[in-house]
Amino acid sequence: LAKTTQPISMDSYEGQEVNITCSHNNIATNDYITWYQQFPSQGPRFIIQGYKTKVTNEVASLFIPADRKSSTLSLPRVSLSDTAVYYCLVGSARQLTFGSGTQLTVLP
Amino acid sequence: GAVVSQHPSRVICKSGTSVKIECRSLDFQATTMFWYRQFPKQSLMLMATSNEGSKATYEQGVEKDKFLINHASLTLSTLTVTSAHPEDSSFYICSASEGGGRQNEQFFGPGTRLTVL
Repeated sequence: LAKTTQPISMDSYEGQEVNITCSHNNIATNDYITWYQQFPSQGPRFIIQGYKTKVTNEVASLFIPADRKSSTLSLPRVSLSDTAVYYCLVGSARQLTFGSGTQLTVLP
Repeated sequence: GAVVSQHPSRVICKSGTSVKIECRSLDFQATTMFWYRQFPKQSLMLMATSNEGSKATYEQGVEKDKFLINHASLTLSTLTVTSAHPEDSSFYICSASEGGGRQNEQFFGPGTRLTVL
């Protein structure tokens, strides 16, 4: 299973763009990259998923370089409600391994 | 989007009793369901994977006789914590996958907070 490495914590201010980078050096050919958000005492919530290049949805963008050994989650104009733990996972829906995640704190 | 529910959301029990947690996929058929455990300030740890109609596959270090998993239908999986002890107090989260293509996501339930006194 591919291991992921993320910053333990990040601080940002309201209205700023936040980029969280995840390293996954031994990602397998068949692995997808998925990001989840988790609030305290809640289950993780799917944010975005990609295989290569760039993916964008209504809440975030995911940038994946050609070698796929890293990925960057971009959250545009964060608000206080975006304070949460963000997990980067690689694998398939049949097998996900959660790393330590990144605690994002958005300050007023 | 796909919705997964868990019941109960919170349970408190005495040491030595058994507790059953239900996980339901409300608007899709879940060929595979997963059970995770999360201790305070820690990440999710996969406990077991279950496919409908088959025995669950447990992760290393998880006692299958203590954490009984039943996946009797495509919309329901149950986790029973037998003879619960205070060290079993944790946040239990289930997820479900429709299966098929490798990029299918897991849909997570809201979690169940178990407190063993």
